[in-house]
Amino acid sequence: DAGITQSPRHKVTETGTPVTLRCHQTENHRYMYWYRQDPGHGLRLIHYSYGVKDTDKGEVSDGYSVSRSKTEDFLLTLESATSSQTSVYFCAISRDRWAEAFFGQGTRLTVV
Amino acid sequence: TQLLEQSPQFLSIQEGENLTVYCNSSSVFSSLQWYRQEPGEGPVLLVTVVTGGEVKKLKRLTFQFGDARKDSSLHITAAQPGDTGLYLCAGEGGQGAQKLVFGQGTRLTINP
Repeated sequence: DAGITQSPRHKVTETGTPVTLRCHQTENHRYMYWYRQDPGHGLRLIHYSYGVKDTDKGEVSDGYSVSRSKTEDFLLTLESATSSQTSVYFCAISRDRWAEAFFGQGTRLTVV
Repeated sequence: TQLLEQSPQFLSIQEGENLTVYCNSSSVFSSLQWYRQEPGEGPVLLVTVVTGGEVKKLKRLTFQFGDARKDSSLHITAAQPGDTGLYLCAGEGGQGAQKLVFGQGTRLTINP
């Protein structure tokens, strides 16, 4: 199994509070991605990174920011959480852009 | 509107039956990936198809990429309870965009 760890695995937070999710990899893959998964929508890309300090927006980036200060870590921040951001968040890594991806186990976030 | 439409969205069959899941689009893709996801876990890559008309087999699973690279199918022969899960297709390069887009998934249940 690819070495990819997400933390926390579960989180409940209040509307308006900031939240940071962490993705850590031990595979030294260049590309890292954050997706959200909601019923009926499959996986939707939030942001991705193609190197340290190199990031780009995905299709549902509003309300989210990311940072990658080290190859192994990719952080997803919700500056002010809203109920519409209640979802399961997955981090993924790949050796090449959009190539075979290895996913973490997910973080279930509930915004109340 | 989903760029990739999967059908059916839900399928429940008896052990030993055959089934086919479809992944359709009006866009041409450079490649198409199939993933399986089990409850509480991240998706796991099953196969990537790249060439139009390509057929790949993985034990009882047969994957086909359409000749025009707009659609794909997954056929399972003699389904087993262990095949139960959410099956996701993901296409790279649809509508000329450099990104990976996922279908909404097919939730498959194989009853003993």
